[in-house]
Amino acid sequence: DADVTQTPRNRITKTGKRIMLECSQTKGHDRMYWYRQDPGLGLRLIYYSFDVKDINKGEISDGYSVSRQAQAKFSLSLESAIPNQTALYFCATSDTTGLNQPQHFGDGTRLSIL
Amino acid sequence: AQKITQTQPGMFVQEKEAVTLDCTYDTSDPSYGLFWYKQPSSGEMIFLIYQGSYDQQNATEGRYSLNFQKARKSANLVISASQLGDSAMYFCAMEASGSARQLTFGSGTQLTVLP
Repeated sequence: DADVTQTPRNRITKTGKRIMLECSQTKGHDRMYWYRQDPGLGLRLIYYSFDVKDINKGEISDGYSVSRQAQAKFSLSLESAIPNQTALYFCATSDTTGLNQPQHFGDGTRLSIL
Repeated sequence: AQKITQTQPGMFVQEKEAVTLDCTYDTSDPSYGLFWYKQPSSGEMIFLIYQGSYDQQNATEGRYSLNFQKARKSANLVISASQLGDSAMYFCAMEASGSARQLTFGSGTQLTVLP
């Protein structure tokens, strides 16, 4: 089983719909992240959370919200989806101990908004 | 603010040859880490190698090595003996000590290994 699991893996929906992307992890990490990947732009940070009570905006948080339901679960919501939110979305986790710990990524969610 | 620049949108290499993927970075933080990730066509992000700003030696992991030149602010990835399975997108990323463990990514290099 994957350490960081994202659901769904693929989603096609219409403009204006509310969408939730879910992430769960079995790594026991406190820190969780949501990124968005667009072609030619690399990954950009949407939100991050250091623990259940700590939520922080990233570089591109407008149009998104998150919920940290438990240490192991971090959800990303698009309240009213728009076509330019079509992208590949990644959840990641990291340990708290120092800079040399890589972030561990889920397999991504391909989201298409028509 | 941190910035990562990857100037090679695409690279080609012959199978069994070595290839260098360029990465330059900018930060005012004296303590930082540099990471390389591989993204195959299936989409997942695979961690390859890490270099810390205070590390005295260049990092190596199997066929991957990092040519770290701190004064030039560059952290190039070297892949030796390329294999067809190395064809993928490669991302350089940086995390600074003051950045709350946020990764800043470059735009990536698409590597194609030719048979």
